[in-house]
Amino acid sequence: DADVTQTPRNRITKTGKRIMLECSQTKGHDRMYWYRQDPGLGLRLIYYSFDVKDINKGEISDGYSVSRQAQAKFSLSLESAIPNQTALYFCATSAPGRENTEAFFGQGTRLTVV
Amino acid sequence: AQTVTQSQPEMSVQEAETVTLSCTYDTSESDYYLFWYKQPPSRQMILVIRQEAYKQQNATENRFSVNFQKAAKSFSLKISDSQLGDAAMYFCAYRRGGSNYQLIWGAGTKLIIKP
Repeated sequence: DADVTQTPRNRITKTGKRIMLECSQTKGHDRMYWYRQDPGLGLRLIYYSFDVKDINKGEISDGYSVSRQAQAKFSLSLESAIPNQTALYFCATSAPGRENTEAFFGQGTRLTVV
Repeated sequence: AQTVTQSQPEMSVQEAETVTLSCTYDTSESDYYLFWYKQPPSRQMILVIRQEAYKQQNATENRFSVNFQKAAKSFSLKISDSQLGDAAMYFCAYRRGGSNYQLIWGAGTKLIIKP
């Protein structure tokens, strides 16, 4: 089983619909992230959380919200989806400490807003 | 603000040959980390290699090695003996040292392996 699991893997939704992307992890990490990947732009940070009570906006948080339901779960919501939110979304985790430099990624959710 | 630039949108190499992917970055920090991630068609982000800025020695992982030029802010990835399974998007990423774990990413380079 994957250490970082994203659901759904693919989703098509209509403009104006509310949609939630879910992420769960079994790595025991306290730090979780949501990134968006667009062709030619690499990944950009949407939100990040260092623990259940700590939520922070990233570079492109407008139009998105998140919920950290537990240490292992971090959900991303689009309250009213629009076509330019069509992208590949990644959840990632990391552990604290200087020696823990690696981020671990889920397999991504491809979202299409029509 | 930190930025990461990958100037090669696409590169191709003959199987078994060597290829170098370029990455430059801009930062005023002295403590940071640099990474190369691979994204095959499966979409999974896979860490290829990492470099700590305070280490002068270039990192190596089997057929993958980096040329880290701190003064020039350059961090290139060399893939030796290219294999068909190396075909993927390759992303260069930067992370500041300390407690901030956010990654800043380049736009990626698509690597094509010719059989």
